[in-house]
Amino acid sequence: AQSVTQPDIHITVSEGASLELRCNYSYGATPYLFWYVQSPGQGLQLLLKYFSGDTLVQGIKGFEAEFKRSQSSFNLRKPSVHWSDAAEYFCAVRRGGGADGLTFGKGTHLIIQP
Amino acid sequence: DAGVIQSPRHEVTEMGQEVTLRCKPISGHNSLFWYRQTMMRGLELLIYFNNNVPIDDSGMPEDRFSAKMPNASFSTLKIQPSEPRDSAVYFCASSLDRSQPQHFGDGTRLSIL
Repeated sequence: AQSVTQPDIHITVSEGASLELRCNYSYGATPYLFWYVQSPGQGLQLLLKYFSGDTLVQGIKGFEAEFKRSQSSFNLRKPSVHWSDAAEYFCAVRRGGGADGLTFGKGTHLIIQP
Repeated sequence: DAGVIQSPRHEVTEMGQEVTLRCKPISGHNSLFWYRQTMMRGLELLIYFNNNVPIDDSGMPEDRFSAKMPNASFSTLKIQPSEPRDSAVYFCASSLDRSQPQHFGDGTRLSIL
């Protein structure tokens, strides 16, 4: 079965600094990969997705992620964070080809320092 | 466009009572998913439907849980009888088809006393 690991439970970044959130997955074939963001009391909003093709994918709110098959990773990056980026971030994987549900990591809580 | 709509947003009830959570997917979406979020276990898939048919219910924790999708615009998740360990946030999500990303509702925060 597939699994997702987000090694960092909390990350603190100064406003304006760069950000990288780590995600490692376990799945035998090419997975479908996603990053979602959750603000307090809200649902999950899709930031970006990777299905195939270019391994560097662009998303909303200035986020990007890079798929590295050799490292089984799909790390999320942003060159300059804003206070409004403070939230919980989830990496997720879905088996390719089917309407299967998502397997989520445990999430990374992002704190922005002024 | 309206997103996934869940009701109620909050539910507080006593142990043993029946609880019904409701979801209206995005119009035109043919896949619907129910997830549960807890501090201990994170986000877990409970069940999903494709074209109103349950495809995988292996995540449903016990027989006390049941889900239905009588038509393309409505689904329910029912817990009977409810227990304190069922307290969680329950999310519904829908996707256009089997290859598209899922869109989430704002969730129902359920507290069983």
